[in-house]
Amino acid sequence: GIQVEQSPPDLILQEGANSTLRCNFSDSVNNLQWFHQNPWGQLINLFYIPSGTKQNGRLSATTVATERYSLLYISSSQTTDSGVYFCAVGRNTGANSKLTFGKGITLSVRP
Amino acid sequence: EPEVTQTPSHQVTQMGQEVILRCVPISNHLYFYWYRQILGQKVEFLVSFYNNEISEKSEIFDDQFSVERPDGSNFTLKIRSTKLEDSAMYFCATSLAGAEQFFGPGTRLTVL
Repeated sequence: GIQVEQSPPDLILQEGANSTLRCNFSDSVNNLQWFHQNPWGQLINLFYIPSGTKQNGRLSATTVATERYSLLYISSSQTTDSGVYFCAVGRNTGANSKLTFGKGITLSVRP
Repeated sequence: EPEVTQTPSHQVTQMGQEVILRCVPISNHLYFYWYRQILGQKVEFLVSFYNNEISEKSEIFDDQFSVERPDGSNFTLKIRSTKLEDSAMYFCATSLAGAEQFFGPGTRLTVL
């Protein structure tokens, strides 16, 4: 199956700093999503980004599908950004469209 | 904004008991999934469901697990005889066309 590697595994930032989270995947995909898992365990959709670049407020993401990686940028980080960030990928072939998750990146933003 | 809902939020059960986890998908979505996350680990795919049948399942999804959509609304995951290692957060996800998936808040299952 598809392998998903996320780096770095842990990240500690001072409030206001910027960061880049990386997701590498081992095979061609046509589905890529970034999630934020909050302290209550909920998975919050950040981006659906199988290719290209998107921005949403202080967050933006870029996927270069041909080179099999995606980047999540967090600018002017806030303490509420803390949590685990997951990248998940899939090959949508109609009825078969499961997501394979990476192990996540644990982000701690300190005041 | 429509969202996926799951009940209960937390279920505690004794080993060997049956549990049913419930999900209400976003109303016009056609693809349904269950995932689980053991504490501190990554999210793992269990099963996908489309057109009233299982379309794909993982090795985790053995004979102890089953899914159904009994009334065209709820989407359920049943574990027939729970084991200690079934303790995890279970997420339901739904998709309109098998692309972007939307996740529910999860059910935390604790097996004692």
